[in-house]
Amino acid sequence: GENVEQHPSTLSVQEGDSAVIKCTYSDSASNYFPWYKQELGKRPQLIIDIRSNVGEKKDQRIAVTLNKTAKHFSLHITETQPEDSAVYFCAARSTSGTYKYIFGTGTRLKVLA
Amino acid sequence: DADVTQTPRNRITKTGKRIMLECSQTKGHDRMYWYRQDPGLGLRLIYYSFDVKDINKGEISDGYSVSRQAQAKFSLSLESAIPNQTALYFCATSDSGTGVGEQYFGPGTRLTVT
Repeated sequence: GENVEQHPSTLSVQEGDSAVIKCTYSDSASNYFPWYKQELGKRPQLIIDIRSNVGEKKDQRIAVTLNKTAKHFSLHITETQPEDSAVYFCAARSTSGTYKYIFGTGTRLKVLA
Repeated sequence: DADVTQTPRNRITKTGKRIMLECSQTKGHDRMYWYRQDPGLGLRLIYYSFDVKDINKGEISDGYSVSRQAQAKFSLSLESAIPNQTALYFCATSDSGTGVGEQYFGPGTRLTVT
């Protein structure tokens, strides 16, 4: 079945450094790849997304890259700040009839001041 | 995002009890979803509905049932709750019309089965 693998499960960086989280998907019919940030006790919030016809998208300190051939996509956060500390989830949505969203297992990011 | 609401926010129930979690949205979206979140396992899809007459099982539907009472309401039921259904439950919506695909999540319901 469809699967999304996410790595690493935990990541600690010093404030000001960059953080990279990687995801690999199995369904080649996937065409939409969102990233969510979830703070403790709160709901997941979309921070950036990318569609399969685009290779890279950037929004201020956050960027996402997509490699369709290798079926992987990555989240890049530059100049990290303590408020970036949260759990980040990637997801992939398939177009093969079901339009389901499959989520990765999450990355807990800690930004150390 | 107050446009997607869930009730109750917290619930403690006993093994064997029937429980219903409710989700309402004012976003006018046609698609609604129920997810379960467990530590280290991410968000797993329980059921989803693309309109009032369309209900589909997700990856972990056993032990759960749903009802789409109206476009704006999607309820999740546990017919006979068991302790391993203790988790955080999220409802989400999306709009097929925009073609974008963004999902909007409710605030979550923390369910504890003792």
